[in-house]
Amino acid sequence: QVQLQESGPGLVKPSETLSLTCTVSGASISSYYWNWIRQTPGKGLEWIGYISYSGSSKYNPSLKSRVTMSVDTSKNHFSLKVTSVTAADTAVYYCGRWSSSWHGYDNWGQGTPVTVSS
Amino acid sequence: EIVLTQSPGTLSLSPGERATLSCRASRSVSSSYLTWYQQKPGQAPRLLIYGASSRATGIPERFSGSGSGTDFTLTISRLEPEDFAVYYCQQYDSSVLTFGGGTKVEI
Repeated sequence: QVQLQESGPGLVKPSETLSLTCTVSGASISSYYWNWIRQTPGKGLEWIGYISYSGSSKYNPSLKSRVTMSVDTSKNHFSLKVTSVTAADTAVYYCGRWSSSWHGYDNWGQGTPVTVSS
Repeated sequence: EIVLTQSPGTLSLSPGERATLSCRASRSVSSSYLTWYQQKPGQAPRLLIYGASSRATGIPERFSGSGSGTDFTLTISRLEPEDFAVYYCQQYDSSVLTFGGGTKVEI
C-alpha cells in the first residue's frame, strides 16, 4: 500500500522560506512523477509542480520564480521550497503521485496546513 | 493556461437521486487528460474518473464520466450517503495542470 506523508513547519513568517518534505512508503520513488499541490478556500486546488526521480522538474509558471523541488532517492522522499512567502501562500499543502496511465493523482498525502504569519 | 469552470457550485439532492456535474474548459482538452476527483472534509481528493470516462480502481459503477472537447460531465446515477462531497475536474495540457473550482453535492 502506497503512503505519502508531508512534514514541515506549520507556521512560516512572511518573506521567509517554506520547506516541506514528502516521505513515500510502499513504493519506490525511483518511478513516477512526484507532485506538490496546495489548496485554499479562495483559490481552490493549485498545482505547484512536479519532480521525477532523476531530478527533472516542472513548475507552475505563476510560482516558478519562488519554487524549488528536490528528490532524495536514498531516503525515498522529495521536498518543496517556496521562497519569499506571503499570506497568499497560506494553504493546505499536499504531495501526490502522478499516474502516467491515468493522467491524475492516484495517491495523495493527508495534507499539511501551512500558515504564513508573523 | 486552460481554465476549468464547474457548475453548479452547489447541488442539493437527496439520496437515491441522480447528480449531473458539469466541467467546461476555456479551450479544448484532450479527453485523455480530463480527470475527476471526490473530496470529503478533512481528506485529500480521491481519483474517480480518468480519461474523461474510465473509472479508477474500486470506484462504484454509479459514477460515470462523459464528454469531449470543452464540455465534460460527471454523473452519479443514484446518490448514496457517502457520495455527498465536493467534486473537482482536472486537466493537464503539458504546460500547466489546472483544477476546476469544484461542485459541492449536499443533502
